[in-house]
Amino acid sequence: EVQLVESGGGLVKPGGSLRLSCAASGFTFSSYSMNWVRQAPGKGLEWVSSISSSSSYIYYADSVKGRFTISRDNAKNSLYLQMNSLRAEDTAVYYCARIRAPRVDCSSTSCYNYYYYYMDVWGKGTTVTVSS
Amino acid sequence: NFMLTQPHSVSESPGKTVTISCTRSSGSIASNYVQWYQQRPGSSPTTVIYEDNQRPSGVPDRFSGSIDSSSNSASLTISGLKTEDEADYYCQSYDSSNWVFGGGTKLTVL
Repeated sequence: EVQLVESGGGLVKPGGSLRLSCAASGFTFSSYSMNWVRQAPGKGLEWVSSISSSSSYIYYADSVKGRFTISRDNAKNSLYLQMNSLRAEDTAVYYCARIRAPRVDCSSTSCYNYYYYYMDVWGKGTTVTVSS
Repeated sequence: NFMLTQPHSVSESPGKTVTISCTRSSGSIASNYVQWYQQRPGSSPTTVIYEDNQRPSGVPDRFSGSIDSSSNSASLTISGLKTEDEADYYCQSYDSSNWVFGGGTKLTVL
């Protein structure tokens, strides 16, 4: 069964740090780009960060740039989010989500990757509360 | 960066059809594909439409998506409404390494 399980959430004071983990199973983790997406209490979804399958490409939302660091360990089938300098507005459920794998399209002369930009598997989330 | 704007809430009766809009603030809606996610209370999001109008396997054909360049918006249409369709729905698009979500629409089936 394809599964993503987040952990590491909890209560932390403003200015503190937390490291979230996401354990992947049931698929070849190293073949997929991954996202972190968060949802503040009673609010909508907000993209946080993306990492490509080999960690070559990493992107952040402006709201977390310089404070959060995404990483992965393909040997351990795990995704991470190191969160520093936490603020009250970082309080949210944090989901890890798999980005659908690219497909290979071939013409008569060459093949190329066609990339999808949506998330096809989501974890259940881990809750981060930033409060004094 | 652009924004995606959705109505805060919509409601309709079982068996009817409802359409949820998602309007792009700048740039063409056709420039980047739009996806739709369903999030039932207490659950994680799931994809109901990807690439404007494609349904993942397992999603009933009651769900359909479209875009309209004249209004610069995307739409999710759910026909034959069921009580189980009651959920929050989010549109999402992507541009320049940024993933953008709409604010979400709460669908009430009453």
